[in-house]
Amino acid sequence: SAVISQKPSRDICQRGTSLTIQCQVDSQVTMMFWYRQQPGQSLTLIATANQGSEATYESGFVIDKFPISRPNLTFSTLTVSNMSPEDSSIYLCSVLKYLAGGRGEQYFGPGTRLTVT
Amino acid sequence: SQQGEEDPQALSIQEGENATMNCSYKTSINNLQWYRQNSGRGLVHLILIRSNEREKHSGRLRVTLDTSKKSSSLLITASRAADTASYFCATTLDNTGKLIFGQGTTLQVKP
Repeated sequence: SAVISQKPSRDICQRGTSLTIQCQVDSQVTMMFWYRQQPGQSLTLIATANQGSEATYESGFVIDKFPISRPNLTFSTLTVSNMSPEDSSIYLCSVLKYLAGGRGEQYFGPGTRLTVT
Repeated sequence: SQQGEEDPQALSIQEGENATMNCSYKTSINNLQWYRQNSGRGLVHLILIRSNEREKHSGRLRVTLDTSKKSSSLLITASRAADTASYFCATTLDNTGKLIFGQGTTLQVKP
């Protein structure tokens, strides 16, 4: 299994500011992802965090708004830049870990609840 | 964009009853997974069914997959109040690990 922690667990921020969310995994993983869950909605993939290279963003998400770092195989950060109330969401880190036999299993962090006022 | 649609959007049952949730998707998939989310927190992986499987069991959970209809169902038998949560299906299209989530079903189990 994989144990994932996120910091902060929640924050209230003013519009126009930026917040960096940290994701720490207890073991090395190849694939790390960032998801957004807007209030009352399902999860949407923001990007794949690639170790040693730029993140791969999904349609509708750009690096200037959501810069991502992945300095090693256990850690990643997501920054929500120049925030507006529409950015109020839960942001979740996820990892894909391959188990014995090649089977992959996905794990999620507890999420960071962001409120922008 | 969302791949799946789930129904019902909300389900309220009495403890001990069975709960069935359905998920439909649009494109060919690699596998389909079901997750539970309590109170808007992190997701817990429940079960994965591969595209070449038709049915899978795990404890009180039973998942079916019909690739011809592009649909899946999650059955929770003998529900408990602790099963109260939101349930999401998610599909993977390839081996990249990217998940495309359905809209989710909110389940309330009354004691």
